[in-house]
Amino acid sequence: GESVGLHLPTLSVQEGDNSIINCAYSNSASDYFIWYKQESGKGPQFIIDIRSNMDKRQGQRVTVLLNKTVKHLSLQIAATQPVDSAVYFCAGTSGYSTLTFGKGTMLLVSP
Amino acid sequence: DTAVSQTPKYLVTQMGNDKSIKCEQNLGHDTMYWYKQDSKKFLKIMFSYNNKELIINETVPNRFSPKSPDKAHLNLHINSLELGDSAVYFCASSQSGRGRTNEKLFFGSGTQLSVL
Repeated sequence: GESVGLHLPTLSVQEGDNSIINCAYSNSASDYFIWYKQESGKGPQFIIDIRSNMDKRQGQRVTVLLNKTVKHLSLQIAATQPVDSAVYFCAGTSGYSTLTFGKGTMLLVSP
Repeated sequence: DTAVSQTPKYLVTQMGNDKSIKCEQNLGHDTMYWYKQDSKKFLKIMFSYNNKELIINETVPNRFSPKSPDKAHLNLHINSLELGDSAVYFCASSQSGRGRTNEKLFFGSGTQLSVL
């Protein structure tokens, strides 16, 4: 199975700062990871994904880093804005297994 | 054009009642899911259907019965509702073929179920 956890339940940053949200996983066979953003009253929304044959992937203002050696991934948000305030989830899976979600980190961005 | 839509958005009911939540996706995906999110925001899969066929059934009380009339719809019926069923229920879909989950899920906006 997969156990995915997050280091911090809440992360508070100032607008314009860079944010880093961390996630650890337990199953070394996990080969696909996703970051989701969930705003209040809405469903989780896909942000970015990464497969285990990569260690870094960039999107618009977001970067995901994967360290398979220590089974850790992170989501970096550049120039964080108040609209980035939400709960962020990492999720992982290995092939045919169920996508398992971490507990979530709430990102609070102050103007 | 909502990709994954579920109704109702809010559902308030008494213990012991039977209720249903409906879900539809217009993405042409083969696989649909039901997830439960508790008060601590933890998301846990309940069921998964691929082309109307049940492929994942996690440890869920048999009071919960999913039904998929076609691959674009996955409804959730709950019998004899209990206080502990209060949560937000999310429908999701993915393009994947049978059983494969290593691709992104698209979620509906959730149904907040409150059992009194």
